[in-house]
Amino acid sequence: DIQMTQSPSSMSVSLGDTVTITCRASQDVGIYVNWFQQKPGKSPRRMIYRATNLADGVPSRFSGSRSGSDYSLTISSLESEDVADYHCLQYDEYPPTFGGGTKLELK
Amino acid sequence: QVQLKESGPGLVQPSQTLSLTCTVSGLSLTSNSVSWIRQPPGKGLEWMGVIWSNGGTDYNSAIKSRLSISRDTSKSQVFLKMNSLQTEDTAMYFCARDYGGFDYWGQGVMVTVSS
Repeated sequence: DIQMTQSPSSMSVSLGDTVTITCRASQDVGIYVNWFQQKPGKSPRRMIYRATNLADGVPSRFSGSRSGSDYSLTISSLESEDVADYHCLQYDEYPPTFGGGTKLELK
Repeated sequence: QVQLKESGPGLVQPSQTLSLTCTVSGLSLTSNSVSWIRQPPGKGLEWMGVIWSNGGTDYNSAIKSRLSISRDTSKSQVFLKMNSLQTEDTAMYFCARDYGGFDYWGQGVMVTVSS
């Protein structure tokens, strides 16, 4: 199975920060990486699909990028509603696999 | 609009069988695939298996021997059955449309395995 190594596992942030979360794929997954936001007690919400595409209704301060086997989610000018858990997913090959998650916490 | 909703018992005894239902609306199961995904408390997401639009299935090899996914297209329902439950199966269970890497998710159902 493809492993998605996500870092950091947690991050202490301040409002207005630029935040970057990264996932490294254990083998080539092409553009087939999504990023999800998850708030407590809620289901994940797809934020970025195919590595760089913003999902419907997602604010433009969110962006996704790829450099080789490294995939990043960047949140510019962090707002309070962005404090949540974030997960990456590869779906290039079955089984689809998720990263371990990143928890954003306010300082 | 597309909606998925999970239902099932909140508490299951160890060694028993878990049965969950995912009821979908706004999409046809004959042209859409649905996956089950679970999340133990405080942990990450784990894909469990999928029922494809053609009715075929694929399962996570780690739980394949215990898992069965089926559907009733006339009722727009997808079913999960997993036997020999243990405490480590305690988790939130989600169903999600398997398109573009899970674009729509249900709200989830919490399942606790305890005697």
